[in-house]
Amino acid sequence: AQKITQTQPGMFVQEKEAVTLDCTYDTSDPSYGLFWYKQPSSGEMIFLIYQGSYDQQNATEGRYSLNFQKARKSANLVISASQLGDSAMYFCAMREGGGTASKLTFGTGTRLQVTL
Amino acid sequence: NAGVTQTPKFRILKIGQSMTLQCTQDMNHNYMYWYRQDPGMGLKLIYYSVGAGITDKGEVPNGYNVSRSTTEDFPLRLELAAPSQTSVYFCASSYGISGRHEQYFGPGTRLTVT
Repeated sequence: AQKITQTQPGMFVQEKEAVTLDCTYDTSDPSYGLFWYKQPSSGEMIFLIYQGSYDQQNATEGRYSLNFQKARKSANLVISASQLGDSAMYFCAMREGGGTASKLTFGTGTRLQVTL
Repeated sequence: NAGVTQTPKFRILKIGQSMTLQCTQDMNHNYMYWYRQDPGMGLKLIYYSVGAGITDKGEVPNGYNVSRSTTEDFPLRLELAAPSQTSVYFCASSYGISGRHEQYFGPGTRLTVT
């Protein structure tokens, strides 16, 4: 089974609108972390936001927030007030366990296109 | 503070050739990682290291070797290049292994094997 599933290969959103990128995960480990990375066309991976499995509140970082629904095993990224510069690939990733190196398992990504 | 640097940025190899992808970080991170990203896919872990002298296999280690003689450097070696190794390679590092210790990525090396 896929550990990280991103079911939206591509998404369009108008500038200034909000958009939700979906991510579901599969793990039996009670301790895990969920990350979102942005990959613009230039290719680098940029960290956006983190949610720990024991965090009580949804994570927020500026215009990014993570809609964490533990029972549903989903960790959707919400981008508010989209900007043209948000056009990029977005990857959800998970780290399982707390006692080993921080190995990340990535989803296949969602390409977001912001339009005027 | 340069973060994670990788060289070269691009490389074309013939089948059977060897090469080393260089990775250096100046953040004094203990943990370092090598990933590959095939077209349209997410990143897959090749090898990782928890400190100088300690390395371990990730999800897709076949055809690669690594070494970690210093905290700063984590080179990735391809011994007998094959077309299946055509990919973009990312090196990353992190300070810790728990909590929100995110991984910092280098700019990537685009490798083509023909």
